[in-house]
Amino acid sequence: QLQLQESGPGLVKPSETLSLTCTVSGGSIRTISYYWGWIRQPPGKGLEWIGIINYSGNIYHSPSLKSRVTISVDTSKNHFSLKLSSVTAADTAVYFCARQMHGYGGNYFDFWGRGTLVTVSS
Amino acid sequence: SYELTQPPSVSVSPGQTASITCSGDKLGNKYACWYQQRPGQSPVLVIYQDTKRPSGIPERFSGSNSGNTATLTISETQGMDEADYYCQAWENSTVVFGGGTKLTVL
Repeated sequence: QLQLQESGPGLVKPSETLSLTCTVSGGSIRTISYYWGWIRQPPGKGLEWIGIINYSGNIYHSPSLKSRVTISVDTSKNHFSLKLSSVTAADTAVYFCARQMHGYGGNYFDFWGRGTLVTVSS
Repeated sequence: SYELTQPPSVSVSPGQTASITCSGDKLGNKYACWYQQRPGQSPVLVIYQDTKRPSGIPERFSGSNSGNTATLTISETQGMDEADYYCQAWENSTVVFGGGTKLTVL
């Protein structure tokens, strides 16, 4: 069974860079039909898409976050990563990683990590 | 930018049918999917490609998509169905989520 696990600091200071990694187990990140994505959810609010990446490094970003987001993939470690720069309190959220089926048959997230809470505070 | 609009809340009595709508410009021309999120848990895909159910999702969950509206229908609603539901589509190389609907079973 595919599993995704987010890891990284739970507390980040304002203006600094948030860094998270999603480790994939039970399957290979080098699968043509899939992208690997980041989604976040501020406390008590809805889901917000951040971006997706495939094994060859092709990326799609949320327009609203694109200037601050870096997404990368390491196929040798079977993981992908997120960096969000210049964070503020508004970036406080649970951050999920997920696998996205990507193609003409639609684009949907079929496996999700458990999520990790990142708090931005001094 | 593209927007998907959902009602903030829907209430249903146990055993009855709940319908949750998701509206967007020409949404019927795209594929819609739906996620269920129980409190404190990760979202779970319940409908993809407008009408398909992933393995393990009860037949009580069904979907449709036409015109400007996609609909998630839950028949014979149970207490365990109480959750937040999000629609999602792919538009102009971006993932778009609806704002979410809180389903209350009472």
